[in-house]
Amino acid sequence: GQNIDQPTEMTATEGAIVQINCTYQTSGFNGLFWYQQHAGEAPTFLSYNVLDGLEEKGRFSSFLSRSKGYSYLLLKELQMKDSASYLCAVRDQRSDKLIFGTGTRLQVFP
Amino acid sequence: DSGVTQTPKHLITATGQRVTLRCSPRSGDLSVYWYQQSLDQGLQFLIQYYNGEERAKGNILERFSAQQFPDLHSELNLSSLELGDSALYFCASSAPSGVYGYTFGSGTRLTVV
Repeated sequence: GQNIDQPTEMTATEGAIVQINCTYQTSGFNGLFWYQQHAGEAPTFLSYNVLDGLEEKGRFSSFLSRSKGYSYLLLKELQMKDSASYLCAVRDQRSDKLIFGTGTRLQVFP
Repeated sequence: DSGVTQTPKHLITATGQRVTLRCSPRSGDLSVYWYQQSLDQGLQFLIQYYNGEERAKGNILERFSAQQFPDLHSELNLSSLELGDSALYFCASSAPSGVYGYTFGSGTRLTVV
């Protein structure tokens, strides 16, 4: 089976940097995804890691260590609009289905 | 517009009733996934179809069923509805092992009263 853990809530200040961690245990791994979800809206794709290392995309970066079952999402130069839930998801190797963690609700304060 | 179309956007119905949620995947995507998201909960995987065939099943209740048609649109049928079935139901589609994972539809908000 699969188990994904991430913090429930985090707060940060506008302009700051925040790191959201995700640990996972899976029987078959085929990539890790981060999604952003504003309340009541659909999740939107942020990043994808399948190999170890850091992937950078503008203000957002994501890191993966497969041996440790660990990933993080780094958000720089935080803006108020970054207040949202951030979902970590692992793709199952056999079926391609994504298993999501419960999400981390980030609140950005002025 | 993500390219994945879900209808209806909102649905209010009484306990014991049956509803059908519809999803049209993004053009070219063969896989359709259904997820349930209750208030302040994570996305719970229900079921996956690939090119008309069921590929994976999650914690889907026996009262729920789904299918994918030859034109690749999918329907999720929820019957004998209970108050606890009130949730956002998302459909997503993907290309095989795509690097972008899924593209989600805007969801159907089901309220059971």
